[in-house]
Amino acid sequence: DQQVKQNSPSLSVQEGRISILNCDYTNSMFDYFLWYKKYPAEGPTFLISISSIKDKNEDGRFTVFLNKSAKHLSLHIVPSQPGDSAVYFCAASARSQGNLIFGKGTKLSVKP
Amino acid sequence: NAGVTQTPKFRVLKTGQSMTLLCAQDMNHEYMYWYRQDPGMGLRLIHYSVGEGTTAKGEVPDGYNVSRLKKQNFLLGLESAAPSQTSVYFCASSYFLYEQYFGPGTRLTVT
Repeated sequence: DQQVKQNSPSLSVQEGRISILNCDYTNSMFDYFLWYKKYPAEGPTFLISISSIKDKNEDGRFTVFLNKSAKHLSLHIVPSQPGDSAVYFCAASARSQGNLIFGKGTKLSVKP
Repeated sequence: NAGVTQTPKFRVLKTGQSMTLLCAQDMNHEYMYWYRQDPGMGLRLIHYSVGEGTTAKGEVPDGYNVSRLKKQNFLLGLESAAPSQTSVYFCASSYFLYEQYFGPGTRLTVT
């Protein structure tokens, strides 16, 4: 059973517009959530994270929102740039675990 | 700072052969991880280590063994490679439990 779900395999957005990537989770013990970005032939790189005690975290063009009651988080990229085209992975963890659980990823394409 | 490095970058094995993938990190991280990435499957944890001399099983440990004899190195072994182990393997390390830093990956093909 998938504990972290990214239901959209792909997303296409025009340059300058907002990109919204979504992630749902089922395990109520998760207390820390992260987004990773991955370019082809490279390892994933950490993008932004949020603790369960917050509902929003912002870093430049990237904002992550957490809705604990809905077990849902989203990543907003504003404005989107062609260089943002990559696969984005959502990940979650609980303090009792020693690892992250990753979603399957969403491929974002930003068109010039 | 090299970060997390992986050796080799590419490898082709025949079914039944063995090999070891090496991961090294220079960030003095306690935690190290091995993942595999397959199309449409995301990143799945194979084994991980929370410190020198310790290892633990992840989500998909069968067919793999690991060792963490030195804090900076984490080895992933395939004793008898199978075509189902064709994948891209990523090593990662972290200081805390959460923000992991990944290596560039090893692309393994088993024929």
